[in-house]
Amino acid sequence: SAVISQKPSRDICQRGTSLTIQCQVDSQVTMMFWYRQQPGQSLTLIATANQGSEATYESGFVIDKFPISRPNLTFSTLTVSNMSPEDSSIYLCSGGLAGINEQFFGPGTRLTVL
Amino acid sequence: GDSVTQMEGPVTLSEEAFLTINCTYTATGYPSLFWYVQYPGEGLQLLLKATKADDKGSNKGFEATYRKETTSFHLEKGSVQVSDSAVYFCALSDLDDSWGKLQFGAGTQVVVTP
Repeated sequence: SAVISQKPSRDICQRGTSLTIQCQVDSQVTMMFWYRQQPGQSLTLIATANQGSEATYESGFVIDKFPISRPNLTFSTLTVSNMSPEDSSIYLCSGGLAGINEQFFGPGTRLTVL
Repeated sequence: GDSVTQMEGPVTLSEEAFLTINCTYTATGYPSLFWYVQYPGEGLQLLLKATKADDKGSNKGFEATYRKETTSFHLEKGSVQVSDSAVYFCALSDLDDSWGKLQFGAGTQVVVTP
């Protein structure tokens, strides 16, 4: 298994600003993902974070709004840019190992945009 | 595309009652199936999984059997406790189609009263 931590755990931000969320895994994982969970809703995949190359975004999510980095196999960041109240959500990262179809989730970052 | 449908909540039960949460799926390949649990204010934890037809996943008294003929993965527990109050998510991942990406159901909130 893998233990995943996220920073910050929560934040309150002003409209128009940006926030970068960090995700750290305690062991090397093949795949890392970023999800959004809007209030009272299920999880929606934002993108797959690829090491050393651009992330792969799902329909409805774009790099300009959610730039993602993954400089190595254990670390990734998600930035929520030019925030609006509609971006208020929990953002979760997850990691998975090749050959083991299982993902481990971080505790999430609870973002409130005023 | 792949999708997961699970019964709507909230489901309210008395302690020691029997719990069933229905989950059905559609997938083009042969997915792995998962149940995740989210306790209040926390991230997601993997509860159990099954990777092929007729597999039974089990953990903490919960069970679910992968039924390919009915495309279902219903979650059951024979005697719930107040500590089982949480939101439960059914999910699938199709290795052949999109490695590791999880497709989640809408989630079912379970409330267990003393």
